[in-house]
Amino acid sequence: GAGVSQSPSNKVTEKGKDVELRCDPISGHTALYWYRQSLGQGLEFLIYFQGNSAPDKSGLPSDRFSAERTGGSVSTLTIQRTQQEDSAVYLCASSVDSNEQFFGPGTRLTVL
Amino acid sequence: AQSVAQPEDQVNVAEGNPLTVKCTYSVSGNPYLFWYVQYPNRGLQFLLKYITGDNLVKGSYGFEAEFNKSQTSFHLKKPSALVSDSALYFCAVRDGGTGRRALTFGSGTRLQVQP
Repeated sequence: GAGVSQSPSNKVTEKGKDVELRCDPISGHTALYWYRQSLGQGLEFLIYFQGNSAPDKSGLPSDRFSAERTGGSVSTLTIQRTQQEDSAVYLCASSVDSNEQFFGPGTRLTVL
Repeated sequence: AQSVAQPEDQVNVAEGNPLTVKCTYSVSGNPYLFWYVQYPNRGLQFLLKYITGDNLVKGSYGFEAEFNKSQTSFHLKKPSALVSDSALYFCAVRDGGTGRRALTFGSGTRLQVQP
């Protein structure tokens, strides 16, 4: 497809479990971003990858959150020992020039 | 630090009337400004951006926005609203210098267009 894709679209997990969320950016886009949108809230930046540079992790809320980007393409966001406050929609975006970002449909995470 | 304020949680307008969704920003360098729209259960869709040049920017679906440096504002406008414009609108900013590349978003404004 031509757009950013994310999987799964929905994830329900139990408190304390680990989850992995996947993002496939638009082909050729060198920049990849993860954001979090909590219910009724705006978007909160989590982490940013640009080419081979070290990622900007300044938005990660705790050390339970980590992300990697393999081969400059697919990215995985991992949340360890999930908590109920982690429940949110996790959005991935990619861009070619760090300006206009194209967003995926998101993964809705529910922690019971 | 950079920030965005969208002072209205909701804007109500009648179909056919002009609409304005307000946004003010704070950034230390040159502002790169964006508007995105989110329809229910959908991801964010890009509407328009201001990087440099003309202060009036035209975007998708008949929307436009005016960059006002002195007022640090970037209000979204449309001359004639449609019911289908009803959605959640987000303003975003990033520092166009060597600062953070990630966008800082406002809290969003829900636009409700009544038939």
